[in-house]
Amino acid sequence: DARVTQTPRHKVTEMGQEVTMRCQPILGHNTVFWYRQTMMQGLELLAYFRNRAPLDDSGMPKDRFSAEMPDATLATLKIQPSEPRDSAVYFCASGFKQGTEAFFGQGTRLTVV
Amino acid sequence: EDQVTQSPEALRLQEGESSSLNCSYTVSGLRGLFWYRQDPGKGPEFLFTLYSAGEEKEKERLKATLTKKESFLHITAPKPEDSATYLCAVQNNAGNMLTFGGGTRLMVKP
Repeated sequence: DARVTQTPRHKVTEMGQEVTMRCQPILGHNTVFWYRQTMMQGLELLAYFRNRAPLDDSGMPKDRFSAEMPDATLATLKIQPSEPRDSAVYFCASGFKQGTEAFFGQGTRLTVV
Repeated sequence: EDQVTQSPEALRLQEGESSSLNCSYTVSGLRGLFWYRQDPGKGPEFLFTLYSAGEEKEKERLKATLTKKESFLHITAPKPEDSATYLCAVQNNAGNMLTFGGGTRLMVKP
């Protein structure tokens, strides 16, 4: 059963701490997205990769957020230092080619206190 | 900049009461329009992709249609298990990224 796997599912951390979220895309998918979902803003694109190369990270606060794909089976999103306004659900999604659907993971619910 | 607006924000229906959800969009060259369903605490689940005006897709009680400016998700004789948030997204010709609307929260009462 092919699915996008995200870890951890829940994370509570103190302001100023580093947070790392991980995503395992569906095998064979060459595009990976990071989205953030809040009640106020809905789903916002933070960054996306094609064939492990970053194509667009304009939605990400560059001073504190970073996204990488160390290999084809792992994507990471880091926040350092974290702030309370970063509290949200972070979704990873993967897709195969343009014009086809993206499949979402279950998300990481981040709470920064 | 691509934009997607969904209406209504929330919709309450009685079981069996058919209705439609609207997704209005502006995009610089539409490559695809996508509908997703999202249940509380879960990630969006893919439903349909529409590529060109006039196209229709169906799945159980759901039918999605597309014009040059909007898409509709028609729900026929809904059941309580259809209760969820329905999200619409567009993809332009320039890349893979999906731009999402704010969603419509559907509640179907027995």
